[in-house]
Amino acid sequence: AQRVTQPEKLLSVFKGAPVELKCNYSYSGSPELFWYVQYSRQRLQLLLRHISRESIKGFTADLNKGETSFHLKKPFAQEEDSAMYYCALKEDTGRRALTFGSGTRLQVQP
Amino acid sequence: DTGVSQDPRHKITKRGQNVTFRCDPISEHNRLYWYRQTLGQGPEFLTYFQNEAQLEKSRLLSDRFSAERPKGSFSTLEIQRTEQGDSAMYLCASSLGAALHEQYFGPGTRLTVT
Repeated sequence: AQRVTQPEKLLSVFKGAPVELKCNYSYSGSPELFWYVQYSRQRLQLLLRHISRESIKGFTADLNKGETSFHLKKPFAQEEDSAMYYCALKEDTGRRALTFGSGTRLQVQP
Repeated sequence: DTGVSQDPRHKITKRGQNVTFRCDPISEHNRLYWYRQTLGQGPEFLTYFQNEAQLEKSRLLSDRFSAERPKGSFSTLEIQRTEQGDSAMYLCASSLGAALHEQYFGPGTRLTVT
């Protein structure tokens, strides 16, 4: 069965420091990978997806099939980046379900 | 507010009681999903509808759980004979029909079973 692992429950950095939120997955096919974010008192929302190859709010993520990873990176963290971040996977089988990791709380200190 | 809405936002019930939650998706979205999230975990998929058809159900969805989307618009999730282990945040999401369209999440219904 597919699995998404986010090894860090909490990542604390200072403003201006680089950020890397780790995400590893186990799945034998060619999945679609996503990062979702939940700011305080807001609903879960899509941040970015690997097929779009976009940079959103300065964040990027590259799918590494060899290492089965999809780490989220930002060169200079801002205080408004503080939130809960979830990595999610969608199978290539036509199933619509997303499989989420357990999340990483990013805390950006001033 | 044109986003996904859920009602109620909070529900406290006693073990053994039945509860029903409602989800109203974004109006033009034909796909609707239910997830459950417990403390410290990410959302776990429960079930998925395309229009009124329930097309996917997780093994997590025991026979005490039933979901409907009778007219392909709003959906209800009912839990019968609630157990303390059912305490969680129940999230609803909706999306357009095309494969690349993202899932938009509602604010969730927090269920506490005492």
